[in-house]
Amino acid sequence: QVQLQQSGPGQVQPSQTLSLTCAISGDSVSSNSAAWNWIRQSPSRGLEWLGRTFYRSKWDNDYAVSVKSRITIIPDTSKNQFSLHLNSVTPEDTAVYFCARGGVGGSATEFDYWGQGTLVTVSA
Amino acid sequence: DIVMTQTPLSSPVTLGQPASISCRSSQSLVHSNGNTYLSWLQQRPGQPPRLLIYKISHRFSGVPDRFSGSGAGTDFTLKISRVEAEDVGVYYCMQATQFPFTFGPGTKVDIK
Repeated sequence: QVQLQQSGPGQVQPSQTLSLTCAISGDSVSSNSAAWNWIRQSPSRGLEWLGRTFYRSKWDNDYAVSVKSRITIIPDTSKNQFSLHLNSVTPEDTAVYFCARGGVGGSATEFDYWGQGTLVTVSA
Repeated sequence: DIVMTQTPLSSPVTLGQPASISCRSSQSLVHSNGNTYLSWLQQRPGQPPRLLIYKISHRFSGVPDRFSGSGAGTDFTLKISRVEAEDVGVYYCMQATQFPFTFGPGTKVDIK
């Protein structure tokens, strides 16, 4: 059974960097058939996919254009986890952040396992 | 970006009765590889979303068979054959055919 456990601060100051980690059990961040995603949810924007990292003989990333200049998703093979870093945050980045595996179906595009969610508030 | 719309946005249903949610995409969701990456997710209050259906009609492991998905191209439907109390929540369609992956606004299902 795949489990994703999120960790990270619940409050970030404006202009700083939001950093969250998603620890994986029951699968490997280096899996050749999965992708590791970050999604956020807010009342104003609904569910918003932010980006993903995955390994297919080499590491690669895809990012949403809306955050592409500010986002980095980094795998950590030694700890079997991946992290989200979103810099220059504003109050509009206040949301519940989820990590999710893209796994079933062979295309790594179906989000079959999710982290518990982390409410991140951007305020001074 | 592909825009996903859902109707209705709210659906009060009677226990034991069927429910249906429609999802429409602003562009065809048929990928160049021939697959259609349309999923349905359920979100119960205070929980993360849960995958119900992927690639239009494939039920994810452990999902009751009262949930079914259908459709093609730009029009898709999620049906619940007989609504149970545990089905209360918000249902989202999601496309993963084209970047960025996008979600519908959600349909709230509750009991009359």
